[in-house]
Amino acid sequence: DGGITQSPKYLFRKEGQNVTLSCEQNLNHDAMYWYRQDPGQGLRLIYYSQIVNDFQKGDIAEGYSVSREKKESFPLTVTSAQKNPTAFYLCASSIAGLTYEQYFGPGTRLTVT
Amino acid sequence: GQQVMQIPQYQHVQEGEDFTTYCNSSTTLSNIQWYKQRPGGHPVFLIQLVKSGEVKKQKRLTFQFGEAKKNSSLHITATQTTDVGTYFCAGNDYKLSFGAGTTVTVRA
Repeated sequence: DGGITQSPKYLFRKEGQNVTLSCEQNLNHDAMYWYRQDPGQGLRLIYYSQIVNDFQKGDIAEGYSVSREKKESFPLTVTSAQKNPTAFYLCASSIAGLTYEQYFGPGTRLTVT
Repeated sequence: GQQVMQIPQYQHVQEGEDFTTYCNSSTTLSNIQWYKQRPGGHPVFLIQLVKSGEVKKQKRLTFQFGEAKKNSSLHITATQTTDVGTYFCAGNDYKLSFGAGTTVTVRA
């Protein structure tokens, strides 16, 4: 089965801790994305990568970091500097850049207390 | 910067009725995409519109891109319980900006 996997589905952390969310795709897509979803606010872009070893900040990158060492993987680290990290995080990929349809993973719901 | 607004935020529909959700951009778009997210799920791509005035149909769903390429609409006829979910438009200028979505509930 081709697709995007995110793990874990639910994640709980204490305030002040960094946490890394996993995203893997086997669609052979060049581009990958991280979005944050909050109730009533749609999807906001955190980071995106159009090619291995390269990534760009999205609209709300502060307090987050990413890496793209392999085409299949695009992990997101939520650092302690992120002031309001509790949210639903969605990873997506597309065959190339932003003009192409995006395939989303099942998401990770992060709760920080 | 580019902003994409969707109205209404919520749509409560009687089963069998029609409804329309609208998407408006502050800038001219190169294309617009529509996604559907079922409750508890993730967004799934529905369609992409590229040309000015373009109209595309998927069974009971009709998508339209405005002549000025700054607005779009999704019209659903004969609403069914399977239509429940949140419909997002995503406008593509130099980046993809998602609207806040229209959340649809259906009364049987």
